[in-house]
Amino acid sequence: GAGVSQSPSNKVTEKGKDVELRCDPISGHTALYWYRQRLGQGLEFLIYFQGNSAPDKSGLPSDRFSAERTGESVSTLTIQRTQQEDSAVYLCASTSGDSRNNEQFFGPGTRLTVL
Amino acid sequence: GENVEQHPSTLSVQEGDSAVIKCTYSDSASNYFPWYKQELGKGPQLIIDIRSNVGEKKDQRIAVTLNKTAKHFSLHITETQPEDSAVYFCAAVPNTGGFKTIFGAGTRLFVKA
Repeated sequence: GAGVSQSPSNKVTEKGKDVELRCDPISGHTALYWYRQRLGQGLEFLIYFQGNSAPDKSGLPSDRFSAERTGESVSTLTIQRTQQEDSAVYLCASTSGDSRNNEQFFGPGTRLTVL
Repeated sequence: GENVEQHPSTLSVQEGDSAVIKCTYSDSASNYFPWYKQELGKGPQLIIDIRSNVGEKKDQRIAVTLNKTAKHFSLHITETQPEDSAVYFCAAVPNTGGFKTIFGAGTRLFVKA
């Protein structure tokens, strides 16, 4: 079946612009994560969704970052007034159930470059 | 705060040799420890995981060991093959509220043919 998909695969934007990154999780997966991966580094947790609610937003680095999920499916990560330090790969993962101890299925990521 | 340290950052081995990657975690309440493999241009993929009530788990050429007292866990790959070349991430899931998974910084493994 289809895995997690993300779009766009690459996004180049100018400093100060807003960007929206999209994640389509595996059908039926109720939990969804967003991560940021800077070049050569590990994954940095941003936000967790269970259904359409986000009980853990503790990783969002500033109020310029927000995310929503609708229909217990698609999620959008929005970065307002982008800065150069926002340049990274943004990864989305989904998992079945609401346990933290389930395998996460990752999408291929969106590479964001802020000029 | 919660932290996972991973070593080495780069590992180069000859095909057929074994590779070992080690991680330590700070939150003693962590109870789930997955390992992910990330190939170039792709998202990470789970290769093996271990839960806190188990000390060792093996799946073909891959094994993971966990020492909860020392807060260490390790990945062992035997009979390495060129297709094992990738970046490997360890992770720990704290059991203290929240839903975050804490990842190590990654180990880039090169398997030379």
